Amino acid sequence: SQQGEEDPQALSIQEGENATMNCSYKTSINNLQWYRQNSGRGLVHLILIRSNEREKHSGRLRVTLDTSKKSSSLLITASRAADTASYFCATEEETSGSRLTFGEGTQLTVNP
Amino acid sequence: DTGVSQDPRHKITKRGQNVTFRCDPISEHNRLYWYRQTLGQGPEFLTYFQNEAQLEKSRLLSDRFSAERPKGSFSTLEIQRTEQGDSAMYLCASSLRGLEQYFGPGTRLTVT
Repeated sequence: SQQGEEDPQALSIQEGENATMNCSYKTSINNLQWYRQNSGRGLVHLILIRSNEREKHSGRLRVTLDTSKKSSSLLITASRAADTASYFCATEEETSGSRLTFGEGTQLTVNP
Repeated sequence: DTGVSQDPRHKITKRGQNVTFRCDPISEHNRLYWYRQTLGQGPEFLTYFQNEAQLEKSRLLSDRFSAERPKGSFSTLEIQRTEQGDSAMYLCASSLRGLEQYFGPGTRLTVT
């Protein structure tokens, strides 16, 4: 079953703008991970944030985690056409061992 | 290429046939995972191995599905008596000590 729910389902922006995607989940987690997937391809790991962390940065990516609200956000700054992809959040639940539970994803389109 | 590799990349089979997919993880990674992804959805966990031991299986993994990792290196996923509902992308991932999971390009299965 899908634990994470991404919002919005689809987002279309102009190059240079920032893109924000949100993820909500239901259970206690060890960590939350964000992945990118280009059409029909495998998933690329972007960033992992542990349950005791509140914010993490990697290049143009900023991830926040609010465990009290069971939510996370991914911010991509200064977007580029090459950022066009589907973005998924995935949670490693406390009781799950190390399997990941993915949301349904946000389809991001960056228009040149 | 030192990433996760999967073979074949595409497989078309007739309903009722058996198929087998192979995954070669990143060499030093001790954990290996199988996920299934259908169009427009996030990946769903199927099973995972730590070294050669299969530690968890999803309820999605019916008795027609079997996975092995005989020497703790590569893994195979076999689907017996395929059904049209098995059509999906089968993704393999590996990790070291349960941290970030790195995904392969996937095997796209079409059952006709």
